[in-house]
Amino acid sequence: GAGVSQTPSNKVTEKGKYVELRCDPISGHTALYWYRQSLGQGPEFLIYFQGTGAADDSGLPNDRFFAVRPEGSVSTLKIQRTERGDSAVYLCASSKQGPLNEKLFFGSGTQLSVL
Amino acid sequence: QKEVEQNSGPLSVPEGAIASLNCTYSDRGSQSFFWYRQYSGKSPELIMSIYSNGDKEDGRFTAQLNKASQYVSLLIRDSQPSDSATYLCAARTGGANNLFFGTGTRLTVIP
Repeated sequence: GAGVSQTPSNKVTEKGKYVELRCDPISGHTALYWYRQSLGQGPEFLIYFQGTGAADDSGLPNDRFFAVRPEGSVSTLKIQRTERGDSAVYLCASSKQGPLNEKLFFGSGTQLSVL
Repeated sequence: QKEVEQNSGPLSVPEGAIASLNCTYSDRGSQSFFWYRQYSGKSPELIMSIYSNGDKEDGRFTAQLNKASQYVSLLIRDSQPSDSATYLCAARTGGANNLFFGTGTRLTVIP
């Protein structure tokens, strides 16, 4: 696609529910990142994929968070038993190759609100 | 201590002035530095990257890096109202897969 696409743009859910956030990176970009941005804060790293594999998941806050990228393009971030503290904008970014010095292209984000 | 620190601002400058944005980082192993611009409600957009000590100029933007002082700055010359945004500083440690972002500095250019 022309840019990184994220759906939905907004998601409202209730505490304890399960949510899935989708990211469709730029065609041909092998690297894909998930970040989380709370109000007034900078993006916080969650997980990085190189191809189909999660090369670095050190930013996932706990085992309620999980992400997949089964075919090396579209990725889904999954959050189980959502908590109010999970409310934030979830940003996806992609880049052409590996992590070093590459320009990240960000999607417009998914605003997650947990009531 | 946060990996990357910025003054959250807000920073206000008159149109046509120079805006100076500053950032410090804690990891001496950091090798790559980036400035992103983020308009309200929008996603971050890369405007400058710098890897070596000294200055790097691109149009009205100049990035400055001082590794000895662990300091990165961004200068915006001839500031325009369209430059009003939050500017995020980011650092990557050599070999690391993630960018550490600061909290951002909100810049307002007053017409």
